[in-house]
Amino acid sequence: AQKVTQAQTEISVVEKEDVTLDCVYETRDTTYYLFWYKQPPSGELVFLIRRNSFDEQNEISGRYSWNFQKSTSSFNFTITASQVVDSAVYFCALSEAKTSGSRLTFGEGTQLTVNP
Amino acid sequence: DAGVTQSPTHLIKTRGQQVTLRCSPKSGHDTVSWYQQALGQGPQFIFQYYEEEERQRGNFPDRFSGHQFPNYSSELNVNALLLGDSALYLCASSFLGRGGGGELFFGEGSRLTVL
Repeated sequence: AQKVTQAQTEISVVEKEDVTLDCVYETRDTTYYLFWYKQPPSGELVFLIRRNSFDEQNEISGRYSWNFQKSTSSFNFTITASQVVDSAVYFCALSEAKTSGSRLTFGEGTQLTVNP
Repeated sequence: DAGVTQSPTHLIKTRGQQVTLRCSPKSGHDTVSWYQQALGQGPQFIFQYYEEEERQRGNFPDRFSGHQFPNYSSELNVNALLLGDSALYLCASSFLGRGGGGELFFGEGSRLTVL
């Protein structure tokens, strides 16, 4: 069975601070995908990143960066110089590769509040 | 290019009633998945439809059923509603045909309240 744990239920920071959202996963599959989604109050899940289990290179996209460590089954997400618009619920998710990333197991989410 | 659209956006039902939710996938997508998101929790996979058939199903009772139409749009039906069915129902579309990567695009959801 697959499981995703996001231990941080809520995080509150002041604008321009860096913040890291933690994600730990469990799976018996050797090939899988990891995801991060952002959910603003409107409800729509906004795709941020997909990472293949064979690709352990860290990735940076603007103020966002992701650290994938297979040895610790973690896929952490860092926002640098946070902004008020980053306030949202962030979900980490996992899927088997055979479903091509279409059946996701989500964590419980982390509510990030960035205060001005 | 329209994204994933869902209707209705909000609805209120009473216990025992039935509800139908609708989803139009993103243009070019052929697969629709449905998720249930209870308040304060992560989305949970209900089922996936491809080529008008249910291809995968999560741990949900038979009260939850669906359909996919030839134009790839989909419906989610829930019978004999329970208070615990109150949630945000999210539709996601993807492209699986011809070895597509299947990346999911989500709609804004239908918020169901059962009284």
